[in-house]
Amino acid sequence: DVKVTQSSRYLVKRTGEKVFLECVQDMDHENMFWYRQDPGLGLRLIYFSYDVKMKEKGDIPEGYSVSREKKERFSLILESASTNQTSMYLCASSWLYEQYFGPGTRLTVT
Amino acid sequence: KNEVEQSPQNLTAQEGEFITINCSYSVGISALHWLQQHPGGGIVSLFMLSSGKKKHGRLIATINIQEKHSSLHITASHPRDSAVYICAVSHMDSNYQLIWGAGTKLIIKP
Repeated sequence: DVKVTQSSRYLVKRTGEKVFLECVQDMDHENMFWYRQDPGLGLRLIYFSYDVKMKEKGDIPEGYSVSREKKERFSLILESASTNQTSMYLCASSWLYEQYFGPGTRLTVT
Repeated sequence: KNEVEQSPQNLTAQEGEFITINCSYSVGISALHWLQQHPGGGIVSLFMLSSGKKKHGRLIATINIQEKHSSLHITASHPRDSAVYICAVSHMDSNYQLIWGAGTKLIIKP
């Protein structure tokens, strides 16, 4: 079974802090994704990566950056957290079409 | 107009009822996905299909490529089926990204 893990299930940070969300997959997948999920808005793609050190912006990249130094690990960085970044963050990985999701990190920025 | 539209947005039914959730899309696709998210839980892939019909237990997914429409059916619904059901499509021009519907929140009452 594919396993995608995220570093935290719940995280509370203060406005202006730098926040790191980590995602690790164990299936040697080429592609990895970061989404945020908000009520009424569904899933929105923040960034994705199709190879080590390769990344592309998704629909809502503003205020976020990513890092993929190793194939199995994809990090989402909030350079200076703001209250409007309070959300559920979901990581996924895929080889072709089917995406496998981690359990999600519920981030609250106060 | 969203490229992937789901209906209904919310659905409440009694245990045992036959459930239908619909998904329409406006782009050329290589595959359509149905996913499930339980409250507080991660997202799990239920089906990936590009033609015809697939069945897994009490769940059935169908797709009509000509009409650009898919349905997810649940037979003999049970309270444990209560979840958000999400339709997503793989755009035929992209191997990686999914275009997401907003989800259908299903509540099955005992």
